[in-house]
Amino acid sequence: GAGVSQSPRYKVAKRGQDVALRCDPISGHVSLFWYQQALGQGPEFLTYFQNEAQLDKSGLPSDRFFAERPEGSVSTLKIQRTQQEDSAVYLCASSLGGRGVNTEAFFGQGTRLTVV
Amino acid sequence: GDSVTQMEGPVTLSEEAFLTINCTYTATGYPSLFWYVQYPGEGLQLLLKATKADDKGSNKGFEATYRKETTSFHLEKGSVQVSDSAVYFCALTAGGSYIPTFGRGTSLIVHP
Repeated sequence: GAGVSQSPRYKVAKRGQDVALRCDPISGHVSLFWYQQALGQGPEFLTYFQNEAQLDKSGLPSDRFFAERPEGSVSTLKIQRTQQEDSAVYLCASSLGGRGVNTEAFFGQGTRLTVV
Repeated sequence: GDSVTQMEGPVTLSEEAFLTINCTYTATGYPSLFWYVQYPGEGLQLLLKATKADDKGSNKGFEATYRKETTSFHLEKGSVQVSDSAVYFCALTAGGSYIPTFGRGTSLIVHP
């Protein structure tokens, strides 16, 4: 596609519900990043994929957060047993280069998750 | 660890005013520095970048100079427009890391 696409754009979840957020990166992009952006804050790194390999998950806040990219393209961020503190915008970005290759990251519009 | 500090917003200006948004950083090695912009309802877009000391990044009338001696990368524009109203994020990648680290963002509001 023309850019990074995320779905849904908005998600309201009841506390304790599981959610799945989808990211379609730009075709051919090797790197894929997930970020969490709380209201009024900058994006905070969650996890990084190079193709299908999850090379860095140091930013995932708890074991309730899980991400996958099984075929090296589409990625899903799953949050189990959502809590109110999970409410944020979740951003996905992709870039052409792989690890250690500093190329521009292109961001999607994000998914705004509200946990009630 | 690596970090980016931006001036607090919002910054409110009249059209055609001069803009400065301050950004300073702490990083290992020699970082690459970026400014991203987020227009209302849209994703982050790369505005400009600089990859080594004394480089000047520029785009759409905005510019920023990589100052190693002051560890700064301040964003400037000589004459802002209403359409520049957005949130601006300073970011870096450093030490061989490919993962951008962002500041908290500075909201710019430009009035006609």
